[in-house]
This record gives sequence, structure tokens and C-alpha cells, in this order.
Amino acid sequence: NFMLTQPHSVSESPGKTVTISCTGSSGSIASNYVQWYQQRPGSAPTTVIYEDNQRPSGVPDRFSGSIDSSSNSASLTISGLKTEDEADYYCQSYDSSNQGVFGGGTKLTVL
Amino acid sequence: QVQLVQSGAEVKKPGASVKVSCKASGYTFTSYYMHWVRQAPGQGLEWMGIINPSGGSTSYAQKFQGRVTMTRDTSTSTVYMELSSLRSEDTAVYYCARDGYSSGWDWGQGTLVTVSS
Repeated sequence: NFMLTQPHSVSESPGKTVTISCTGSSGSIASNYVQWYQQRPGSAPTTVIYEDNQRPSGVPDRFSGSIDSSSNSASLTISGLKTEDEADYYCQSYDSSNQGVFGGGTKLTVL
Repeated sequence: QVQLVQSGAEVKKPGASVKVSCKASGYTFTSYYMHWVRQAPGQGLEWMGIINPSGGSTSYAQKFQGRVTMTRDTSTSTVYMELSSLRSEDTAVYYCARDGYSSGWDWGQGTLVTVSS
């Protein structure tokens, strides 16, 4: 079964840059697009990155996504961290049967 | 703008079924697939399946095969997710999410389903 693995938590200071990784268990993570979702406590998720590196309208350009085939991983980078960025972040893609797969989520603390 | 409005919270007994609705507006209902995702308390997101509102075809996660049914009503632009044989582990917030293709997913507000005797 295809799985996506994320770090449980990351923390960084306001104004700094943080990168959250998402590693595929098998195959090539580049075979299907990767999306990233932000979920603040008590709220529904929202999309911050789709199709590996595209930002929906309204998402600041401080958010960026990338794929590294050599490590079979995707990354979400948030620059110029703000306290409002504190949230859970989930990566999502599809397996070889086009079934959706989520990473376990990463809790970002901005302190 | 895209809006997905889900039905209200439910409390069910073990062994019962629950049907959650998701009413869409602000776009052409039959042009975009709809996912269902759930989140148990304090846990991560779990993909349950997808429905094509145009023809009604579905694909379910293997874990839910035989227990979940996704349907749609094009006259009201509403999709439904029914989960049967409920157990305590099915207590979760259930989300619908429109697959916007080249614009990402748009999410409903979520529906809390509590399974308790």
C-alpha cells in the first residue's frame, strides 16, 4: 500500500522559513500530483498547494511546493512565518489505483 | 463562489447507518468530482471515496468497501455519503470536498457523526 510519511511536528520562529516534507513509500511520488492542506484548530482544511506547486488564488506567495524525485518526496515551504500559519498541514496524493492517500499530518508551531 | 454546505451533526447507535448530505452551489454541479474524507477526534485525514456527479460512478477506499455508498441528486446539486454498520471507531467529522482540478479542493464545513450506545 502506498503511504505518505510526514514529520509529526515542526517549529520555527516568526519571520523564518520552514519546510515540511512528505515522503512516498514506493513508486515515484512524481507519478501523481501532490496537494497540501492547512487545517487550523476547529476548522475544515483548506488547500494551500495543488498540482505539486500551484497556489490557489488568495494563498500568499510565502507558500510554495516542490517535488524531489531523488528522495521520492514532496515539500511545503513557508517563508516569512507568521503566527497565523500555526496549523496542521497534510500532504495528499493518489496511489496506483487512483485512490486518495493522505500523509499523517504535521503540526506547525510558530513560536 | 463555490459553497459546500453539509448537514448537521448526528448521533447514532452502533449497528445503525448514517447519511450525510453535501449541497453544492456556485458552480456547475456535474462538472466536478466530489471526495469524502473523514477525521476521527485528534487524528489525521482519511480518504473514503469519490463520486462523479455527472454519471454517478463511484470509487471507494478498500477499507470502506461494502459499508459506504455515495450517491447524488442532480436536481438539488447534492451529494450523499451513507455509512452502515456503524461502530464507535466511525466517530469522526466527515467532509465533502470538490475536486477543482486546476484550482485545488474546496471543502465543506464538516459533519460530526458520533456513534455511541
